[in-house]
Amino acid sequence: SQQGEEDPQALSIQEGENATMNCSYKTSINNLQWYRQNSGRGLVHLILIRSNEREKHSGRLRVTLDTSKKSSSLLITASRAADTASYFCATERDSSYKLIFGSGTRLLVRP
Amino acid sequence: GAVVSQHPSWVICKSGTSVKIECRSLDFQATTMFWYRQFPKQSLMLMATSNEGSKATYEQGVEKDKFLINHASLTLSTLTVTSAHPEDSSFYICSARGGHDEQFFGPGTRLTVL
Repeated sequence: SQQGEEDPQALSIQEGENATMNCSYKTSINNLQWYRQNSGRGLVHLILIRSNEREKHSGRLRVTLDTSKKSSSLLITASRAADTASYFCATERDSSYKLIFGSGTRLLVRP
Repeated sequence: GAVVSQHPSWVICKSGTSVKIECRSLDFQATTMFWYRQFPKQSLMLMATSNEGSKATYEQGVEKDKFLINHASLTLSTLTVTSAHPEDSSFYICSARGGHDEQFFGPGTRLTVL
């Protein structure tokens, strides 16, 4: 079963703008991860944030985690057309290492 | 990063036949591999966890007799869809985990059952 929801389901922005995607989950977690998927392809790991971390940066990506609200956000700054993809959050709940994925956000960056 | 391959990348089969999908970790030993299914424009749904040398653990609602998983070595797990039907048509993705937090995903296999 899916762990949670992401919003928005779809996001269309102009190149150069920032894109923010949100993820909510239901149970306690060990960590939360963000992945990108280009159409019909496999997943690319973007960033992992542990339950005791609140914010993490990687290049143009910024991830926040609020365990009290059971939510996370992914910010992509200065977006590019190549950022067009679906973005998924995934939570790892326990030592089983299982990943439970959110519903995903389809991002379109218009050139 | 580590590389995970899947074979085949796509397969078309007739209803009632069985299809085997391979997942290989190319440059690391994967103690655990996972199999996911993804329907068009939907998220990934975890099907089962595959541990080398032991029986796979299936998620609720996944038929273990229909989706046979074998993790024969630390670099190979196979998923066999038995007696496939059109409703089994989907994108099947595996991931592999070594001794670190990150899971590495294969490129996926698109199965079409006619």
